[in-house]
Order: sequence, then C-alpha cells, then structure tokens
Amino acid sequence: GAVVSQHPSRVICKSGTSVKIECRSLDFQATTMFWYRQFPKQSLMLMATSNEGSKATYEQGVEKDKFLINHASLTLSTLTVTSAHPEDSSFYICSARQGRSDEQYFGPGTRLTVT
Amino acid sequence: SQKIEQNSEALNIQEGKTATLTCNYTNYSPAYLQWYRQDPGRGPVFLLLIRENEKEKRKERLKVTFDTTLKQSLFHITASQPADSATYLCALGRGGGNKLTFGTGTQLKVEL
Repeated sequence: GAVVSQHPSRVICKSGTSVKIECRSLDFQATTMFWYRQFPKQSLMLMATSNEGSKATYEQGVEKDKFLINHASLTLSTLTVTSAHPEDSSFYICSARQGRSDEQYFGPGTRLTVT
Repeated sequence: SQKIEQNSEALNIQEGKTATLTCNYTNYSPAYLQWYRQDPGRGPVFLLLIRENEKEKRKERLKVTFDTTLKQSLFHITASQPADSATYLCALGRGGGNKLTFGTGTQLKVEL
C-alpha cells in the first residue's frame, strides 16, 4: 500500500518552454501533497505544500508564478515549470500524506533537464 | 535558523556489522523524527518514525533512538548487508501533518 507514482520519470526540454509533472497516489487518497527539489549531492528542499481543492502554499524563495501547482483531486497533483531555464534542471520529487498521518510517501522522482 | 546535520562523510562498513548513523539538530523542537532510505535517482522510501515521547523504536534489523535533550537521533542497521548500501536521510516534523525538514543525508556502503 501507499504507492505514489510520478510521470514522466525523465524529461528534456528547451529553454523557455513549460513542463508538467504529474504526481498520483495510487492506492490511497492524499489530502496533502508536497513538492520537493533535489540538486546533486544535496538534500530535499521543500518547494510547496498542496492541499486538495485549495491553493498551494509556497516556501520562501520559490516563485509561485514559475512553479504552478494544481491539486484538483485527492489522487492527483501537478507541478508545471513555466518558462524553464537551465538552472531549473533538477530532480523533482513529490510526496503524499494520507489524512492526518505524519508519514509521507514519496514518488520515484522526475529528472528535468533544460537545454 | 534550523539546522539538521548528518554524518557528512560516507560510512563504509563490513557486511555483518552494525551501521550507526547520526542525526543532530539545532533550533528546532520536533514532534517526531523520520528516517528514509534513498537510492541513486530514486525518491526516498519511508523506514521509521519516532515521536518525541519515544526513546527507541525497532523494525526488523532497524533501530532508532531519539534523545530530545541531546537533540540527536541514532539510526542503527544490525547485521548489515550490501543491499543496505544507500543514502539515509533523517527528517523532522512538528506534527499535524505539517511539512518535513530534511537533513543532508549519509551515504552508507556495506562491503563484502
């Protein structure tokens, strides 16, 4: 149980284009989903917290107009990187929480490369 | 500001020995602490959660201790195996399903 999937697993895009990443909870309903970014040899940095049916809460320093998050259902959240630049190249990981549980279940991650 | 520190250098141990990883924190009062395993190019996998009122927790070959006075958690893997080789992350949270703050991780390598 508690499986989270992400799609795509890898994406390469050109500078200036937008990329959408999907995060799905496969066998549970996720009231809250989290989006993280991880650069090589570094830890996970939380970008935003997404609650179903409401606007995402962004961490300090994360541009909400650049990283658009939508959590339209209890099993799906999407992150859209708009007008991507090479410095946005990173490993993006989502996690999901069931109800009020403190445990988070992570997706396998999406490797984004912007050329 | 909040700071979570883990062994910055990789930990190499021999198969069969006990691996001990450290997580220290400052300027933080967590309600719980979690340990995750992360393999290269993959998302973290949840291992154990220990709450502030718990001293120790076990799961199979894993043991976690939590000392809120020392502001430290120790993560032990007994009878280690090469398959245990990975990066191990500690993460702190304040409860209520709130966000986690992650440490930098410790890379463990178990050698034959």
